[in-house]
Amino acid sequence: AQSVAQPEDQVNVAEGNPLTVKCTYSVSGNPYLFWYVQYPNRGLQFLLKYITGDNLVKGSYGFEAEFNKSQTSFHLKKPSALVSDSALYFCAVRDKGGNQFYFGTGTSLTVIP
Amino acid sequence: EAGVAQSPRYKIIEKRQSVAFWCNPISGHATLYWYQQILGQGPKLLIQFQNNGVVDDSQLPKDRFSAERLKGVDSTLKIQPAKLEDSAVYLCASSTTLDRGRNGELFFGEGSRLTVL
Repeated sequence: AQSVAQPEDQVNVAEGNPLTVKCTYSVSGNPYLFWYVQYPNRGLQFLLKYITGDNLVKGSYGFEAEFNKSQTSFHLKKPSALVSDSALYFCAVRDKGGNQFYFGTGTSLTVIP
Repeated sequence: EAGVAQSPRYKIIEKRQSVAFWCNPISGHATLYWYQQILGQGPKLLIQFQNNGVVDDSQLPKDRFSAERLKGVDSTLKIQPAKLEDSAVYLCASSTTLDRGRNGELFFGEGSRLTVL
């Protein structure tokens, strides 16, 4: 069965510092991996995806993520955090066979001024 | 490109009443999803449509929830009768399908927040 784990419910980071939000996955075959961000009272917004190719993918708002097949991880990163990055972040994996998406439980990121 | 449209954004009802949510996906997206998101949790899939057919409704509480996508475009999710535990945000999303060779991400609407009193 496909699944995604986000081991941290909450991540706090000081403004200007690098941030990492962790995600590990369990899928059969090659994964399609995604990151989404959710601001209060809003829907989920797509940040970036890994389908194939370069293990480091770049997305919106300066975010990037590194696909690591041996560790089955897809951690979200940003070199310098902004207060406006404070939000809820969800990792997701797509089941190629059934077009189904499986979401993690989310990580609340707080960037401290 | 217009995004996924949902209405209403907010709804407050008494328990045992009924409610309906509407979603219009991005034009050309064959796959439509309804998710339930309880506060502090990740989205939980309720039902997935491919055109006007149901692909997965295994987590839909069918005694009270129903959904349809009659013409393969917009969709309605209904709850009747509502329970207190149905208080949540109902998210609609759409995506392209893999059989066109496009590995599409999900595009979400802004959600419909339901409060059951």
